[in-house]
Amino acid sequence: GENVEQHPSTLSVQEGDSAVIKCTYSDSASNYFPWYKQELGKRPQLIIDIRSNVGEKKDQRIAVTLNKTAKHFSLHITETQPEDSAVYFCAASYHSGGYQKVTFGIGTKLQVIP
Amino acid sequence: DTGVSQDPRHKITKRGQNVTFRCDPISEHNRLYWYRQTLGQGPEFLTYFQNEAQLEKSRLLSDRFSAERPKGSFSTLEIQRTEQGDSAMYLCASSLGPAGDLDTQYFGPGTRLTVL
Repeated sequence: GENVEQHPSTLSVQEGDSAVIKCTYSDSASNYFPWYKQELGKRPQLIIDIRSNVGEKKDQRIAVTLNKTAKHFSLHITETQPEDSAVYFCAASYHSGGYQKVTFGIGTKLQVIP
Repeated sequence: DTGVSQDPRHKITKRGQNVTFRCDPISEHNRLYWYRQTLGQGPEFLTYFQNEAQLEKSRLLSDRFSAERPKGSFSTLEIQRTEQGDSAMYLCASSLGPAGDLDTQYFGPGTRLTVL
């Protein structure tokens, strides 16, 4: 099955700096890579996703890059703000049995220091 | 809130008791998933429904766990004879489909289970 590794597990940045979270996956069949943000006590919320036919996607201060050859994908947050503080999960997904089977990383706890 | 809802949000039970959780997906979504999340970990897949059919179960889903989606709308997850190791957040997610599409899963707020 798929294995997703995520690092770092914790990340502290000063407000206004950039934050980068990196993930690797093992199964070359994975073709969809969503990123979720989970604030304390709340549900995981999709913040951005990328499909395997795209190398980069950007949405305001958030961008995701994908290197299919190396099986790496990364989340970049620029101009970080205190409200960006949360746990971020990467995930790799492939089509199996009629649905997208999703495997999550262990999460990165991001702390943005005002 | 028209998103995925779960009930209850918190459940405290004694070891050996049975518990049941409910999930109401986004109304037009025909796919429903259950995950378990423990502290410091990402969600781990438990089971998947396409409409009322349970099409896949993880090996994490022991015989004490059963899930149903009788009319293809809401789903229930029951844990029998709970153990302390069952303490976790149980998350439900739903997605639109259809088959073959790269569809996004949307999560509910979860039910936090504590087994004493």
